[in-house]
Amino acid sequence: SAVISQKPSRDICQRGTSLTIQCQVDSQVTMMFWYRQQPGQSLTLIATANQGSEATYESGFVIDKFPISRPNLTFSTLTVSNMSPEDSSIYLCSALGTSGNYNEQFFGPGTRLTVL
Amino acid sequence: EDQVTQSPEALRLQEGESSSLNCSYTVSGLRGLFWYRQDPGKGPEFLFTLYSAGEEKEKERLKATLTKKESFLHITAPKPEDSATYLCAVRSNDYKLSFGAGTTVTVRA
Repeated sequence: SAVISQKPSRDICQRGTSLTIQCQVDSQVTMMFWYRQQPGQSLTLIATANQGSEATYESGFVIDKFPISRPNLTFSTLTVSNMSPEDSSIYLCSALGTSGNYNEQFFGPGTRLTVL
Repeated sequence: EDQVTQSPEALRLQEGESSSLNCSYTVSGLRGLFWYRQDPGKGPEFLFTLYSAGEEKEKERLKATLTKKESFLHITAPKPEDSATYLCAVRSNDYKLSFGAGTTVTVRA
């Protein structure tokens, strides 16, 4: 398994500012992901965080808005840039299990973002 | 495009009243059907992965089954602590997880 922590757990931000969310995994993992969960809705994949290379973004998400870093096999950051109230959401970090198999995928506790 | 539909949206149960949640899916090459539990204000907690029709997995009062088009999560004799939102997701040939909207289960004592 993989235990995932995120910082901050929540934040309230002003329109036009940026917030960087940190994700730490307790062991080395091959794949890390960032998801968004808007109020009352299910999870949507933002991007796959690739170690040592640029993230792979899903349709509707762009690097300028959601820059992602992954400097090593246990850590990643997601920045929400130039925020608007529509960015208010829960942002979740996720990783495959330490075996690297696709049969397990774990999630962090989430970062609850409110943009005023 | 992969599609996952969960029903019902909400389920209210009396303690001890067994029931089932449904997850129907359309996917291009199933590489796993996942069940998660999500408590308010927390991230999803991994429960099971199923791979082939006929497969079953159990954990405490929960039992997941899989057919070629749907999966069921059976809750046997639920307790109030089983109250949560249960999420279903499928992994297809592109290895991404596609989630359903979830079923919110409330168990009254």
